[in-house]
This record gives sequence, C-alpha cells and structure tokens, in this order.
Amino acid sequence: QKEVEQDPGPLSVPEGAIVSLNCTYSNSAFQYFMWYRQYSRKGPELLMYTYSSGNKEDGRFTAQVDKSSKYISLFIRDSQPSDSATYLCAMVDGGGTSYGKLTFGQGTILTVHP
Amino acid sequence: ETGVTQTPRHLVMGMTNKKSLKCEQHLGHNAMYWYKQSAKKPLELMFVYNFKEQTENNSVPSRFSPECPNSSHLFLHLHTLQPEDSALYLCASSPQGVRYEQYFGPGTRLTVT
Repeated sequence: QKEVEQDPGPLSVPEGAIVSLNCTYSNSAFQYFMWYRQYSRKGPELLMYTYSSGNKEDGRFTAQVDKSSKYISLFIRDSQPSDSATYLCAMVDGGGTSYGKLTFGQGTILTVHP
Repeated sequence: ETGVTQTPRHLVMGMTNKKSLKCEQHLGHNAMYWYKQSAKKPLELMFVYNFKEQTENNSVPSRFSPECPNSSHLFLHLHTLQPEDSALYLCASSPQGVRYEQYFGPGTRLTVT
C-alpha cells in the first residue's frame, strides 16, 4: 500500500466549475498537509498548507484535513483555465529535524477548459 | 537570478557517460534536496543536505553521487546510468525550521539512451 494515494485523473472541467481534489494517507505521524501546483515544464510550487486537522481558505482555494479519516481535500471555486496544472498533495511529520522529508501523492492532472 | 535555478534543463546521455546536474538557490536557505519525478509515480526524495551535510540518502543507487560544496549549491553527479533513470530531476531548498515549505527549481529532464 502506498503511503499517500492520489487519483491521477486526468480531470477535465468547464470554466467556473468547483473542483475537488483528494488524497488519502496511511501514516498517522503526518502533521503538515500541503498542496503543490506544478505547471508544465516547471517545478512544483506551494499553494497551501494546513497544520493538523481543519480547514484553510485562500481566495478561491480551500484546503481541508480530516486526520481521523486520514483524508485531505483541496477545493477550487470558480475554476479558471489558468488553474490547469498538476496538483500534488504532500505531507510531512511534525518534528525531529529542521527540514522536511515530504511524502508526495502521484499528482492529479487538471484541465479547465473555457 | 532568483529562486532556485537548475542547469542544464535538458540532458541526453549514454549509459557509459558521466555528467553532472547543477542546482543553485538564491534564497538563503540551509536545506537542499534532490528529487526524482517519473511519469505516473510520486516525487521520490533522493538526498537531503542540511548546512552542507548529507542527512538523508533514500536508498539511492551509487551511480548517483551528490555533492554540496556550500549551502547555495548542490550537484548530482551521474555515471553508468540505466534507461530507467530517465526522469525529471528536481532540486529544492527550504528555510531553516520550516518543515512544510520547499522551493523547487524547474528541473533537468534527463534521458538515458
């Protein structure tokens, strides 16, 4: 069993749709939960992070973490063609080192068509 | 230059060649990372350097040899690679004490023939 499971898609939605991206994980030591966005021919960039359980909102993006179910989500409201990218979930445990050994999901390819 | 830069952006090498990938970060970070990104697979952490010292080696074959001469530069020396090593190699850096935030370079697309 993979430590982090993410549906690779691809996911294709019309402009303006609400997009839901999800990951499940098995390691209960994970404390930080991140979403990275990767455009074609670019490296991943951090979109949002959440510490422990709860919700976090940033503009059109909302991240949710349910540690009891080991399930995280990213919602994109009013999706735009510029949101077309690969979305990677990532997780890391809570301490022990000053750097992070991130564990990534496979990534979901999202296309928003006009 | 800003952020994390990587050279070359594309590399084609034969199985008997020796080549090196270079990464430079202009962010003042202390930790640097090498990742491998293959199609249909998650990013795989290869090496971590913290304050120039290698702190993690994720069971990477010895044909990959990292080098970190200072906190701003990271190299990945390649020799006797296999076709299955063809992938996107990403370098990243992170600030001290921030476990969740890593800044990635654009990657080197490596093809082994």
